[in-house]
Amino acid sequence: GESVGLHLPTLSVQEGDNSIINCAYSNSASDYFIWYKQESGKGPQFIIDIRSNMDKRQGQRVTVLLNKTVKHLSLQIAATQPGDSAVYFCAETLDFGNEKLTFGTGTRLTIIP
Amino acid sequence: DAGVTQSPTHLIKTRGQQVTLRCSPKSGHDTVSWYQQALGQGPQFIFQYYEEEERQRGNFPDRFSGHQFPNYSSELNVNALLLGDSALYLCASSLGGVGNGKLFFGSGTQLSVL
Repeated sequence: GESVGLHLPTLSVQEGDNSIINCAYSNSASDYFIWYKQESGKGPQFIIDIRSNMDKRQGQRVTVLLNKTVKHLSLQIAATQPGDSAVYFCAETLDFGNEKLTFGTGTRLTIIP
Repeated sequence: DAGVTQSPTHLIKTRGQQVTLRCSPKSGHDTVSWYQQALGQGPQFIFQYYEEEERQRGNFPDRFSGHQFPNYSSELNVNALLLGDSALYLCASSLGGVGNGKLFFGSGTQLSVL
């Protein structure tokens, strides 16, 4: 089956700087995309989502961008804090509301004090 | 308000044995999904239970089975364990009728097969 992939496995960012985590997906039929944050010893935590009829969505300090032309998804985190250190996963699903998610392999974000 | 709880947190088994993992969904949720997360990988969908029935299934063999109880809690059973079954098993809950895809995950059960 098709799966979601990530460009970079690790990313180190200075505290206070902005970070961008990228994700490539291969299933053009995917309708719904979600970013999750997973801290050590915990399960994934929902950060932000976006549907395929949108190209940008903003949350608190986070922005998700969707480029359907090149099947690319990104997560921007503004003014990074030590608590942002975690593994970030993008996930896709064919239908909004379908909880059978396909996850990527993840990017480890490390915030340097 | 309790979140998703899983038990046990860690488990060690040997090849060929059987294991049962348990999950209690977040209060108010009625749907439970199970995911397997190998070390350094993203979670992979195993199956989902709603109204005590398996609603969706991922690409996992029949050795993986589950159950949902009337109180919405769920069990994941794995028979004839293989070394490759070593992973973090995550349970996620949601409200089935809404189906907005916003899963709430537990902290998982770390299964080691020796």
